[in-house]
Amino acid sequence: EVQLLESGGGLVQPGGSLRLSCAASGFTFSSHDMSWVRQAPGKGLEWVSSINDNGGNSYHADSVKGRFTISRDNSKNTLFLQMNSLTAEDTAVYYCARNAGTHWGQGTLVTVSS
Amino acid sequence: EIVLTQSPGTLSLSPGERVTLSCRTSQSISSGYLAWYQQKPGQAPRLLIYGASIRATGIPDRFSGSGSGTDFILTIRRLEPEDFAVYYCQYYGASPWTFGQGTKVEIK
Repeated sequence: EVQLLESGGGLVQPGGSLRLSCAASGFTFSSHDMSWVRQAPGKGLEWVSSINDNGGNSYHADSVKGRFTISRDNSKNTLFLQMNSLTAEDTAVYYCARNAGTHWGQGTLVTVSS
Repeated sequence: EIVLTQSPGTLSLSPGERVTLSCRTSQSISSGYLAWYQQKPGQAPRLLIYGASIRATGIPDRFSGSGSGTDFILTIRRLEPEDFAVYYCQYYGASPWTFGQGTKVEIK
């Protein structure tokens, strides 16, 4: 069974940093592209970042470009999202997803507030 | 960036009714890169349809997708109580991926 388990969310002050992780199991992690998608409270879905299977190519939404970095460790079946210079607009539930969205984790809440 | 516009914003329906949800893209896209998701409160989205018309694993056949070019449709043949949720379309052909704003299907 495919499982994706996010962690690392929490409360952070504006301007701060946070690193999200997504532990994958139940499939060959190194064979799949992975993504982060977020959802602000009461709002719709917003694609954040994607990375290809070997980590050689990554893409970020304009809203996070230069502040967020997606990466992966295929030896540990783990996906990461390094988030810097956080603002209130980054407050959301962050989901990791396999490929374009065949499978999703349960999400981790990031709250940016002073 | 390809913008996806879903309509209507909200649908109030009764169990057993047929549902048709629309997703219009700002420019023509390959139907191979259009997906539909269902999301219930407090849950992650669930993939229903990919490639515009291919049902994901385990999705009941009352759900169907169609369309091409700029106009795509998700049809629920006969609403079940568990189908009341928010539905999103998604374009995933190239960065940036984009989502529609969602259509809420609520109980009348």
